[in-house]
Amino acid sequence: AQTVTQSQPEMSVQEAETVTLSCTYDTSENNYYLFWYKQPPSRQMILVIRQEAYKQQNATENRFSVNFQKAAKSFSLKISDSQLGDTAMYFCAFMYSNTGNQFYFGTGTSLTVIP
Amino acid sequence: NAGVTQTPKFQVLKTGQSMTLQCAQDMNHEYMSWYRQDPGMGLRLIHYSVGAGITDQGEVPNGYNVSRSTTEDFPLRLLSAAPSQTSVYFCASRKLAGGDEQYFGPGTRLTVT
Repeated sequence: AQTVTQSQPEMSVQEAETVTLSCTYDTSENNYYLFWYKQPPSRQMILVIRQEAYKQQNATENRFSVNFQKAAKSFSLKISDSQLGDTAMYFCAFMYSNTGNQFYFGTGTSLTVIP
Repeated sequence: NAGVTQTPKFQVLKTGQSMTLQCAQDMNHEYMSWYRQDPGMGLRLIHYSVGAGITDQGEVPNGYNVSRSTTEDFPLRLLSAAPSQTSVYFCASRKLAGGDEQYFGPGTRLTVT
């Protein structure tokens, strides 16, 4: 079974500072996708960023970027210039490239941005 | 587009009661799935479907049934509710090809007493 590990159950960061959330995964496959989802108190799951394993370049979306280390099976999320609206639960997820395969989620990191 | 819709948003059941959680999507996605979210355990897959008439079990299928008679709808049935099924339930959908993201519904908070 696929495992995704988020080792930081809770984190906090001062507003405008930078924070990094860690995620590791276990697979013997070469082709897969990785995702970070955000779940604010509204409970809605929102995609933050997506990375294809065959791409060496790290994905970036505005203030959000990833550090994808394929050999180390690590996929951390960096949030720059943290804002109060970034307060949420963040989930790392993994999906094989084969169509129809499921997502595997980590247990989440609760991030609080402190004013 | 409404995206993925779920009803109800909240539900309280007594042990032994049955009910159906509704899920619909208007994006013509082939793949639909149900997850449950429990504190400290992330999202766990209950059942999924890759198209009308095709369903399969996920990680935690016991106590739940699904069917997929149309592309749009994917209801989740609790056959005989148990307190262990108290959870938040999410429906999600995505295109099958291309590693597309999953789009999630707003969730249903279910309490079984």
